[in-house]
Amino acid sequence: DAMVIQNPRYQVTQFGKPVTLSCSQTLNHNVMYWYQQKSSQAPKLLFHYYDKDFNNEADTPDNFQSRRPNTSFCFLDIRSPGLGDAAMYLCATSLTGVGVAFFGQGTRLTVV
Amino acid sequence: KQEVTQIPAALSVPEGENLVLNCSFTDSAIYNLQWFRQDPGKGLTSLLLIQSSQREQTSGRLNASLDKSSGRSTLYIAASQPGDSATYLCAVRSGAGSYQLTFGKGTKLSVIP
Repeated sequence: DAMVIQNPRYQVTQFGKPVTLSCSQTLNHNVMYWYQQKSSQAPKLLFHYYDKDFNNEADTPDNFQSRRPNTSFCFLDIRSPGLGDAAMYLCATSLTGVGVAFFGQGTRLTVV
Repeated sequence: KQEVTQIPAALSVPEGENLVLNCSFTDSAIYNLQWFRQDPGKGLTSLLLIQSSQREQTSGRLNASLDKSSGRSTLYIAASQPGDSATYLCAVRSGAGSYQLTFGKGTKLSVIP
């Protein structure tokens, strides 16, 4: 039973065309995170929400935005994808800021 | 700034062997450490979480240890199986109130039948 669900699993977008990735959770966790993982690299935190409070990492490009309309859903918006944004995007949740993190299956983004 | 290193980057062992994966971190002021498994093209599956006050955690054939003062953790896998083949990542959460998990690049494990 999937607890953190990411859609779609694979996304192909054109250079410069806005794209949205989605994440939903059935765990009722307070915190939701978005990570970017490039090939053979460590996942890198882009931002997180604690409830409705948005926290952006200092080095996250302005091109990346996020929305959390309710507890269950969180979206990653890439306003103008570049070739360098091709990566696996991972959504995660945790009950508290220091609890066990649960990850979704990821969305593989390809930019053409 | 916290940095997490995992050595080796890749490891190949015959089925049935016991093995140890290593993780080191530069800042010992961590809140907890979590080990994950990642299959190719997939997300991360949580294996074990160790609080900073703990020395080890066990789940089935997996045992994770933590030596916070020396900045090290190990993941011990007993009686390895081909199904254990995956990339194993460790991640540390630095200090209460810090929501960021800092990851290592992982160790890619291949268990040969």
